[in-house]
Amino acid sequence: DQQVKQNSPSLSVQEGRISILNCDYTNSMFDYFLWYKKYPAEGPTFLISISSIKDKNEDGRFTVFLNKSAKHLSLHIVPSQPGDSAVYFCAAREYGNKLVFGAGTILRVKS
Amino acid sequence: DTGVSQDPRHKITKRGQNVTFRCDPISEHNRLYWYRQTLGQGPEFLTYFQNEAQLEKSRLLSDRFSAERPKGSFSTLEIQRTEQGDSAMYLCASSSPAPIGYGYTFGSGTRLTVV
Repeated sequence: DQQVKQNSPSLSVQEGRISILNCDYTNSMFDYFLWYKKYPAEGPTFLISISSIKDKNEDGRFTVFLNKSAKHLSLHIVPSQPGDSAVYFCAAREYGNKLVFGAGTILRVKS
Repeated sequence: DTGVSQDPRHKITKRGQNVTFRCDPISEHNRLYWYRQTLGQGPEFLTYFQNEAQLEKSRLLSDRFSAERPKGSFSTLEIQRTEQGDSAMYLCASSSPAPIGYGYTFGSGTRLTVV
């Protein structure tokens, strides 16, 4: 029973263009949604998050959009850079401090 | 601030042996989490400590798994009688009581291979 789904295993984008990573969830009780980035041989690094009461949060080149009615969120990276190439995990906060993660999307930014 | 440290980085063990992993969180963080990640999947929650108290355990944490945080600082995760299905990356994370955006800081993980 996957409560957080990332349906695209990989995404390839040209440098300078927009990268859009998508995530769907099923549990209406999630109150925070997060994106983590992971490089090989390193642990996940927190990138950006959004409260369930908001629909957009922006931090520099990164913007997260939340559509509660569709139970969908997306991460936009503009402009994409080669250093953004990594695995991106979507996560949602359940009760307490437990996070539920998606399976990840591999982003490749080509120069 | 040296981040979250995990030791060892890699562990190869024979089936049936016991293994123990250590996690040193960021010093001012009172919350500590263990997650497990298998190939092609995202991290899965195992357990959570607030100071020395273990407040939550996942159903994934069978009786062969035990975690401790004796003085509210470092934590250990022990797996007894390892099985091949235990092969995974074991990730430790820590946070303050109200982390910005609820983002934890993860360590680099311990990769366990059971042969």
